[in-house]
Amino acid sequence: SYELSQPSSVSVSPGQTASITCSGDKLGNKYASWYQQKPGQSPVLVISQDFKRPSGIPERFSGSNSGNTATLTISGTQAMDEADYYCQAWDSSTVVFGGGTKLTVL
Amino acid sequence: QITLKESGPTLVKPTQTLTLTCTFSGFSLSTSGVGVAWIRQPPGKALEWLALIYWDDDKRYSPSLKSRLTITKDTPNDLVVLTMTNMDPVDTATYYCAHRPIAVAGADAFDFWGQGTMVTVSS
Repeated sequence: SYELSQPSSVSVSPGQTASITCSGDKLGNKYASWYQQKPGQSPVLVISQDFKRPSGIPERFSGSNSGNTATLTISGTQAMDEADYYCQAWDSSTVVFGGGTKLTVL
Repeated sequence: QITLKESGPTLVKPTQTLTLTCTFSGFSLSTSGVGVAWIRQPPGKALEWLALIYWDDDKRYSPSLKSRLTITKDTPNDLVVLTMTNMDPVDTATYYCAHRPIAVAGADAFDFWGQGTMVTVSS
């Protein structure tokens, strides 16, 4: 079965750029989506189809996908961005989630 | 405005069958391209996709759980039901339903989620 791998944790200083990666075999040939989940809350879609931001998602969130890696980039990271982030893709008619990355803003 | 809400038992015994209902508003499952998915999250762990049903009654299941899952829709009443048989303590999790918007093939993503319902499996 298809697998998506994410680093378990990423740290960033306020105002700096955070990059969270998601790796999978030929992931660049698929669409990647990203979700933000804060403690006790439901996930929120922040990026779909590799780089599209849903309405209401700040411009500091961006995405890319090439080769075997999709990347979520948060520019000018704010304290409110501290959360778990999950990548997701579609493979062989099934949905796959990555294991999640805890983003710490310190 | 799209909203979804999960409902069902909070506690089930091992070997029992779990039935969860997702009641939604703001969209119709008769609209071409639309779908509803079920996703779960054990405490402190990652999201796990379970099943997805489309407007045309096409259904997809997690390969690892396919034998235990059934997803159905009731379009006139705007609800989707998930059943999971032979429940085990490892199935203890928060169960979410989510809206799949119209999208190109292979671009499935979920833009609106319910609040989730916690299900504990214990004797």
